[in-house]
Amino acid sequence: GENVEQHPSTLSVQEGDSAVIKCTYSDSASNYFPWYKQELGKRPQLIIDIRSNVGEKKDQRIAVTLNKTAKHFSLHITETQPEDSAVYFCAASTLSNAGGTSYGKLTFGQGTILTVHP
Amino acid sequence: DADVTQTPRNRITKTGKRIMLECSQTKGHDRMYWYRQDPGLGLRLIYYSFDVKDINKGEISDGYSVSRQAQAKFSLSLESAIPNQTALYFCATSDPHRGRLHEKLFFGSGTQLSVL
Repeated sequence: GENVEQHPSTLSVQEGDSAVIKCTYSDSASNYFPWYKQELGKRPQLIIDIRSNVGEKKDQRIAVTLNKTAKHFSLHITETQPEDSAVYFCAASTLSNAGGTSYGKLTFGQGTILTVHP
Repeated sequence: DADVTQTPRNRITKTGKRIMLECSQTKGHDRMYWYRQDPGLGLRLIYYSFDVKDINKGEISDGYSVSRQAQAKFSLSLESAIPNQTALYFCATSDPHRGRLHEKLFFGSGTQLSVL
């Protein structure tokens, strides 16, 4: 099955700096890569995703890049703010089948605790 | 707003006790999931259900069972709780759009379970 490794496990930056979180995956058939943000005491929420036919996607201060050959993808946050402090999870999705129903099977990384210091 | 609701929010129980975590949703989604979150291990899938008559094991289903009572309700049971089942549990839903196999997950607010 798919295996997703996420690094670093913790990341501390100063407000205004950039932050980069990296993930590698093992299954070359994975073709969808979402990122979830979990603020302290809150539920995870999708912040950005990328599909395998795209190399980069941006949404304001966040961007995700994908290198299919190397099987890794990264989350980039620019001009970090204290409200970016959270746990970030990457995930990789592989087309699977359960009881005749096709679906994208998600495997999550271990999470990165990002702290942005004012 | 349509939401995914979990009860209870917190639960402390003793080893060997049976416990049920409940999830209900008003999003109208067919697909529902149970995940557990442990520090350093991310989110791991316990069970998932694509409709009322469909139940599938996830990667860590041992020690757990589920029931899909209705389209909107999906409960997780620990028949005999043990300390290493102490974790944060999340219910989630998703809604497959035609032609799209990869779906956004909508998580519930979570249940923190402690097994002593």
